[in-house]
Amino acid sequence: SAVISQKPSRDICQRGTSLTIQCQVDSQVTMMFWYRQQPGQSLTLIATANQGSEATYESGFVIDKFPISRPNLTFSTLTVSNMSPEDSSIYLCSALFGGLSSPLHFGNGTRLTVT
Amino acid sequence: RKEVEQDPGPFNVPEGATVAFNCTYSNSASQSFFWYRQDCRKEPKLLMSVYSSGNEDGRFTAQLNRASQYISLLIRDSKLSDSATYLCVVNPYSGNTPLVFGKGTRLSVIA
Repeated sequence: SAVISQKPSRDICQRGTSLTIQCQVDSQVTMMFWYRQQPGQSLTLIATANQGSEATYESGFVIDKFPISRPNLTFSTLTVSNMSPEDSSIYLCSALFGGLSSPLHFGNGTRLTVT
Repeated sequence: RKEVEQDPGPFNVPEGATVAFNCTYSNSASQSFFWYRQDCRKEPKLLMSVYSSGNEDGRFTAQLNRASQYISLLIRDSKLSDSATYLCVVNPYSGNTPLVFGKGTRLSVIA
């Protein structure tokens, strides 16, 4: 099965700084997504990373705070900007290898702690 | 009503026990359903898809009841390695949202 590599796997950052998370898939995929999982909570979709165009954000998430790039069909980045302690969470890259009815596959996640 | 609701758990069961998890979903138009497993500090991994006729994979059986908008997962002969959080996942087929995740049910299998 395809491999989704995400880095960094964890980071501790200071308030006010930004962190860019990278996601690399070892095969071309049509759809990539970024999720957040806060402690004790379920996964929340941040945005759909669209290849060659602006990402589609879910309610409560904005481009200025979570800029996303997807320059090709195998790579995407998520930046968490101007971080605050409330951004401490696990950020997960995911990809669909089939149609919308297919299951999602996830990268190993980035555990972010903001101090 | 939340889009996907699961038993709150945690479930603490002895090795060899049979345990069942339940899940309800709110969107009657949903077409695809999955169970994921998430180990502590790890990413979710697909356990099995759930088909209309029900399906089995070894010790795991998934059932779907569309009329009641209800999904279940049965684990037989529980192993210590089954300890994890089990996420009920539904594709609501609305907008761009690919999947909606339940909060998960934590299972601890005890020796």
